[in-house]
Order: sequence, then structure tokens, then C-alpha cells
Amino acid sequence: EIVMTQSPLSLSVTPGEPASISCRSSQSLMHSIGHTFFDWYLQKPGQSPQLLIYWGSNRASGVPDRFSGSESGADFTLKISRVEAEDVGVYYCMQGLQTPYTFGQGTKLEIK
Amino acid sequence: EVQLVESGGALVQPGGSLRLSCAGSGYTFSDYWMHWVRQTPEKGLVWVSRINTDGSTTDYADSVKGRFTISRDNAKGTLYLQMNSLRAEDTGVYFCSRDTAGAHGYWGQGTLVTVSS
Repeated sequence: EIVMTQSPLSLSVTPGEPASISCRSSQSLMHSIGHTFFDWYLQKPGQSPQLLIYWGSNRASGVPDRFSGSESGADFTLKISRVEAEDVGVYYCMQGLQTPYTFGQGTKLEIK
Repeated sequence: EVQLVESGGALVQPGGSLRLSCAGSGYTFSDYWMHWVRQTPEKGLVWVSRINTDGSTTDYADSVKGRFTISRDNAKGTLYLQMNSLRAEDTGVYFCSRDTAGAHGYWGQGTLVTVSS
């Protein structure tokens, strides 16, 4: 089973300031077809998770461009260029390369 | 608009059975793989199972293999999860999700399963 390790587990950010969340996979998530099967999700309070980033760096439809994803080997980063109040919630990383799909522990973002 | 609506969650005794349903609308249901994901406060999000477009391929987490069965009825646009021999650790909110480019592009609102005597 691929283990996904997120950090930090919580962060408090002033509106307008940047934020960064990291996720490390226990093995490469690169598929033979050339895509990295790694995603970022946001679960806002009281809601279901929603897809933010897929294939490591592709924004899902409707996701603001202040969100960006990057990767370096088995290390992945989600960056929010300027945090807004609506960005509060828990952020999860997930690998979809092989079953069982596995999620990170979650990072709770709150606004200062 | 893509919509996924789960139903069937309930309070059930250990050893009991339950069938969850997930009705998809707003898209061609038969074109997409589907998943079930469980969420608990203790373990967070845990992938449970997936099924391919015609139901011929299924995969399960080890913790539910042999007890849970995923299936789909494309004519009805509905995904199912038959849960047998339920245990306390199966308690949680169960989400169905639609696979999009290998990711969970759309999620339902979830249905609560509580296994307790």
C-alpha cells in the first residue's frame, strides 16, 4: 500500500497571504502513460470533498487560478497564492496510481 | 449538472447487512468508473471500492474484501454497495464518487452508516 504523508496538519493564514501544503508519497506515482496519478481535494466545512488538482498540477474545472500544484519526484506541493476566507477547510492529497487508493491525513486550514 | 445522491445509510447491528445506493444524473452514467469512499473522524478518508463502466471489473480495500460487493445498474444510472457482516469499524459516512481522469471528479453528499448494538 502506498503511504501518503501530509504536512503540516494544520495552518493558520492571514487573508491575502500565501499558503503551502506538502504531501510525500512512499513511491513514485508516475504511470507508464506519462501521467502522475496524484490529486488534491478540499473539504469545506459541512460539505463533501471537491477536486482541486489532478495529475499533480492540473486545476479542475472551476478552480480559481490562485491554486496551483507541483511535483518533484515523490514530493508534491499545493500552493495558494493569496488565501481567501472561502479557502478554509481540510485539504487532502490522494494517490490514484494503484488500489487501494490512499489519502493523506488532511491539513486543516483556518483564517487568522 | 452532474449530481450524485447516496441513500441507504442506517443504524445496523454488528453482523448485519445494508445496501447503499448512489443515483447519478446529469451525465452518461455508463461512461464512467465509480468509487465508494468512507470517512471517519479517526481515519479520515478511506477508499473502499471501485467498479468499471460495465461492472466487469471491481476492486476492494482489504478491510472489506469478501464482505462488501460493489455493483451498478447502468440502465437505472445507479451504483450500489452491498455491505454484509458489518463491523463497528465500518461505521462512517460513505461517499460515492465519479472517476474523472483517474481522480474523484464528483462526489455525492454522503450517507451515514452506524454499526452498533
